[in-house]
Amino acid sequence: KNEVEQSPQNLTAQEGEFITINCSYSVGISALHWLQQHPGGGIVSLFMLSSGKKKHGRLIATINIQEKHSSLHITASHPRDSAVYICAVKAGSTDKLIFGTGTRLQVFP
Amino acid sequence: EAEVAQSPRYKITEKSQAVAFWCDPISGHATLYWYRQILGQGPELLVQFQDESVVDDSQLPKDRFSAERLKGVDSTLKIQPAELGDSAMYLCASSLSLYRVLDEQYFGPGTRLTVT
Repeated sequence: KNEVEQSPQNLTAQEGEFITINCSYSVGISALHWLQQHPGGGIVSLFMLSSGKKKHGRLIATINIQEKHSSLHITASHPRDSAVYICAVKAGSTDKLIFGTGTRLQVFP
Repeated sequence: EAEVAQSPRYKITEKSQAVAFWCDPISGHATLYWYRQILGQGPELLVQFQDESVVDDSQLPKDRFSAERLKGVDSTLKIQPAELGDSAMYLCASSLSLYRVLDEQYFGPGTRLTVT
């Protein structure tokens, strides 16, 4: 069993829909990252959080430390949001990142 | 805005050949990471440097892979000889310091390697 699990693996949506991607982890963490990877391969950091909730534009990330669960929400989705979204956790006192396998999102006009 | 630079962006090589990738982290970032990402999977850490010292290379296949960061700035990852299973995206990332827990890692555009 992977230490970081994401769901769903694949997600399709119509433009404008509200999207939720989930991440569950089984290890103690110091921080959790949400990353975006476009087809070209480059990875962009969206959020790093250790508690509560963060918002940036149409993106919202929440984390529940007790339940070892985080969600990434996209409001009013747009085709340019199409990408792979990756959850990664910093385990314990190390700075090593453990990655999930990603959620592939496709938003159609 | 400062970025992590990688070259080449794409590399096609025949098996048993040598191949090398280069990474220039964001200026002032002491920690540098090399990851390998196989299609459909998340990145896997190959090696981590703090300045010029290797902090973690436990997942680096040392029989064929080597990495160096001689002056603690840019870094080179080498594969010799390349095998078909090495086909993947090789990502470099940097952060200010591994001693800062809430430090973000900044990723480069990656080098996509195809071994034929």
